[in-house]
Amino acid sequence: NAGVTQTPKFQVLKTGQSMTLQCAQDMNHEYMSWYRQDPGMGLRLIHYSVGAGITDQGEVPNGYNVSRSTTEDFPLRLLSAAPSQTSVYFCASSGSLNTGELFFGEGSRLTVL
Amino acid sequence: GQQLNQSPQSMFIQEGEDVSMNCTSSSIFNTWLWYKQDPGEGPVLLIALYKAGELTSNGRLTAQFGITRKDSFLNISASIPSDVGIYFCAGPPSGTSGSRLTFGEGTQLTVNP
Repeated sequence: NAGVTQTPKFQVLKTGQSMTLQCAQDMNHEYMSWYRQDPGMGLRLIHYSVGAGITDQGEVPNGYNVSRSTTEDFPLRLLSAAPSQTSVYFCASSGSLNTGELFFGEGSRLTVL
Repeated sequence: GQQLNQSPQSMFIQEGEDVSMNCTSSSIFNTWLWYKQDPGEGPVLLIALYKAGELTSNGRLTAQFGITRKDSFLNISASIPSDVGIYFCAGPPSGTSGSRLTFGEGTQLTVNP
């Protein structure tokens, strides 16, 4: 029962480096999203997708890019990492746009030096 | 963006005690959700509320959708050590789909055996 799988679980970057956080789900969910979690701030939506080929910005999209070429995968790209992007990143998917039930991955902890 | 304010921010209780936490918003929400995050994991949905005044239980957990649609409450009865974690309220801002969620800042619960 894989559900939502995120890789890597931990990553350290230097300022200015680029990287991609991978997210894959095996539940055939149309909806996928990326959140970041910072202490005392809950989870904030970065980008989301309602289906293959469709993406949109969330609350905090600056510095991040996404694409959705398949139903299963929704990678998050950091083109030029900044210390302000140090955070824990969660990918989530949902089979219904009406219920609000999201299935989260285990998270990816990113540190930018 | 729309804010969800949770209180208290943290709670330290003894095993067996009951717990109450709440979530308020300055705007109306049509869905209220309560998630729990165990240490090192992604959040998991506990209870979903879709109708003003609704009272829903899930084992020892009970949640209510406030009549004004601007608040929600979560109660945990007879707490046990595995209740430790962060509890988030969440909901979709007005005019958005049920899966584009805004999260509160979270309530950190510690249960002493």
